[in-house]
Amino acid sequence: NAGVTQTPKFRILKIGQSMTLQCAQDMNHNYMYWYRQDPGMGLKLIYYSVGAGITDKGEVPNGYNVSRSTTEDFPLRLELAAPSQTSVYFCASGQGREGQPQHFGDGTRLSIL
Amino acid sequence: GENVEQHPSTLSVQEGDSAVIKCTYSDSASNYFPWYKQELGKRPQLIIDIRSNVGEKKDQRIAVTLNKTAKHFSLHITETQPEDSAVYFCAASKPRLGFGNEKLTFGTGTRLTIIP
Repeated sequence: NAGVTQTPKFRILKIGQSMTLQCAQDMNHNYMYWYRQDPGMGLKLIYYSVGAGITDKGEVPNGYNVSRSTTEDFPLRLELAAPSQTSVYFCASGQGREGQPQHFGDGTRLSIL
Repeated sequence: GENVEQHPSTLSVQEGDSAVIKCTYSDSASNYFPWYKQELGKRPQLIIDIRSNVGEKKDQRIAVTLNKTAKHFSLHITETQPEDSAVYFCAASKPRLGFGNEKLTFGTGTRLTIIP
């Protein structure tokens, strides 16, 4: 049981490039989330999904896109990378019920140069 | 929306002493309050949580208390050990009709350092 798997673990992008951060979970959770964590800071919600085909914006969605075609996968896309998007990105999943926690992946460390 | 404030931002305690981290939340509809521990370079991991129908919960050396009236909750770590050194995040969640507890709002974190 792998839990939440994120790829890649590290990536360096040039300004203006695009990329997709992958996230997959094998716990059959309906709810999935993308957060960013800037150095020394807390977690800010980018996008989330309550089930396949349904996505919604979080606090800081600008510059990102998501899709949820299956229960297992929730990729995050950066279309035109900017230095302000340098951060650690965490994917999480959960059952979304009261008292049920979110489970995090190991993160993707992204640098935009 | 929900706002969660966390204090202090840094905390240093002698090994064996107790540590207390406090959080306040703004939305009285919030009913679930987890605490996450994040070691350097690692993922956040749930260490304890509490639901709004409970005032206190313990798990070995850690405990969480909740005061719904005052809208604050606290993490207590007793007999601290070097491996307790990490960043701790509180969070709050409220239910949305038909969707359960969708989202967590996180505090800004407390960096706890245990001094040997």
